[in-house]
Amino acid sequence: GAGVSQSPSNKVTEKGKDVELRCDPISGHTALYWYRQSLGQGLEFLIYFQGNSAPDKSGLPSDRFSAERTGGSVSTLTIQRTQQEDSAVYLCASSEPAGTNSYEQYFGPGTRLTVT
Amino acid sequence: QQQVKQSPQSLIVQKGGISIINCAYENTAFDYFPWYQQFPGKGPALLIAIRPDVSEKKEGRFTISFNKSAKQFSLHIMDSQPGDSATYFCAASIVFYTGNQFYFGTGTSLTVIP
Repeated sequence: GAGVSQSPSNKVTEKGKDVELRCDPISGHTALYWYRQSLGQGLEFLIYFQGNSAPDKSGLPSDRFSAERTGGSVSTLTIQRTQQEDSAVYLCASSEPAGTNSYEQYFGPGTRLTVT
Repeated sequence: QQQVKQSPQSLIVQKGGISIINCAYENTAFDYFPWYQQFPGKGPALLIAIRPDVSEKKEGRFTISFNKSAKQFSLHIMDSQPGDSATYFCAASIVFYTGNQFYFGTGTSLTVIP
């Protein structure tokens, strides 16, 4: 399929462990976003990558959270020393290059993270 | 600081009725206002979107009404169906030269009763 894919779909981890969440954006999409969605809540912006520009990390809640995007495509969100409050669905989205007429974000199915 | 405020938090509508969800924003630099629909276990999907140069956009049973002076926009779902039961998010975007940044409302859980 040509959509945004995320892995794993579910992740259960013990408090204090590190986790890595992966996002494969739609081919050709230069913008990539990470959001966090807690149970019954809206989408909380975490980080935004656009091409080769420095990422906008303004939404990362603490220094335990980091993300990278290799080769302008796949992105990995890393949460170190996980806490129970990190339990949420982590959503990735991608969109076409800036300057195009399409502002649409395409979302992946998300990774449900549970910290026990 | 919530850039986009959405209401109501939940909504129950009879089949065939009209569902109305409202959003308000403060930043006049926003230039793109999408609505997303999210079913349980799925990521949000774009439903309909509007630019600030028009006051209304209709696609099938879904209509966005946009009031630039009041800095408000709303989603109307006509002839609501049980299959419309989902969570709806409004959003607003500012297009920077490097791309878009999106701000989301807190979501509305819609239940359409058969």
